[in-house]
Amino acid sequence: AQSVTQPDIHITVSEGASLELRCNYSYGATPYLFWYVQSPGQGLQLLLKYFSGDTLVQGIKGFEAEFKRSQSSFNLRKPSVHWSDAAEYFCAVGAGGGYNKLIFGAGTRLAVHP
Amino acid sequence: GAVVSQHPSWVICKSGTSVKIECRSLDFQATTMFWYRQFPKQSLMLMATSNEGSKATYEQGVEKDKFLINHASLTLSTLTVTSAHPEDSSFYICSATPGQSNQPQHFGDGTRLSIL
Repeated sequence: AQSVTQPDIHITVSEGASLELRCNYSYGATPYLFWYVQSPGQGLQLLLKYFSGDTLVQGIKGFEAEFKRSQSSFNLRKPSVHWSDAAEYFCAVGAGGGYNKLIFGAGTRLAVHP
Repeated sequence: GAVVSQHPSWVICKSGTSVKIECRSLDFQATTMFWYRQFPKQSLMLMATSNEGSKATYEQGVEKDKFLINHASLTLSTLTVTSAHPEDSSFYICSATPGQSNQPQHFGDGTRLSIL
C-alpha cells in the first residue's frame, strides 16, 4: 500500500540556519511527490512537486527538494530559514497519478527561534 | 492564482444537527473536488473524491450516508455532515482541480467543525 512517512514530528531551528525535513514514501510505481505547507487554521499551499526529470526540484519561498529513488526519499531543504517559515509541512504522494488521490504524511511542525 | 473559497470557516452546533460546508472554485472550473478531514496535529485524510455531475467516490471507512457530498456545478461542491455528533468534530478541507492529473489541487482554508 502507498504511504508517506515523515519521521520528525517537530523540528526547531534558529532563524538563518539551514533546514532539512525528511520524507520517505512507499509506492509501487514512479511516484508523484509533493511538499505542502500549512499555516495554522488554513489550507495547504504547494511548495514544490516532482513528476519526472531532474531529481532536484526548486519550489517557492526558497525551498528545494531532492528525489532519491534508491532511498525512497524526497527531503525538503532550505539554506536559510526565516521566521515566517514556521508552519506545518506535509509531504505527499499522488497515488492516483499526478495530483490525483494525494496521500499525506503525518506532517512536521517547524518552529523558528529568533 | 487559483482561489478556492470554503464556507463557513468555523461552525459550532448542537449534537444531532446537520451541517453543510461549501467549497467554491472562484476563478476556474473544478471538474474534480476532494474532501479531506484533519484531526488536531495530524495529517489530512482523504474522505472522498467528487466529479461534477457524478456520485462521489468515498474512501474506505468513510460513511457515505453520514457525509453527503454534492457536486452539482463546476464551481461548487458541498459536504453535509448529517446528524453530527461530537466525534465528527474536526477540521474539514476541500480542494479543487480542473480535473487533469497534471493540474494541481487548490486548497480551501478549511472549516473547523465543533459539535457540542
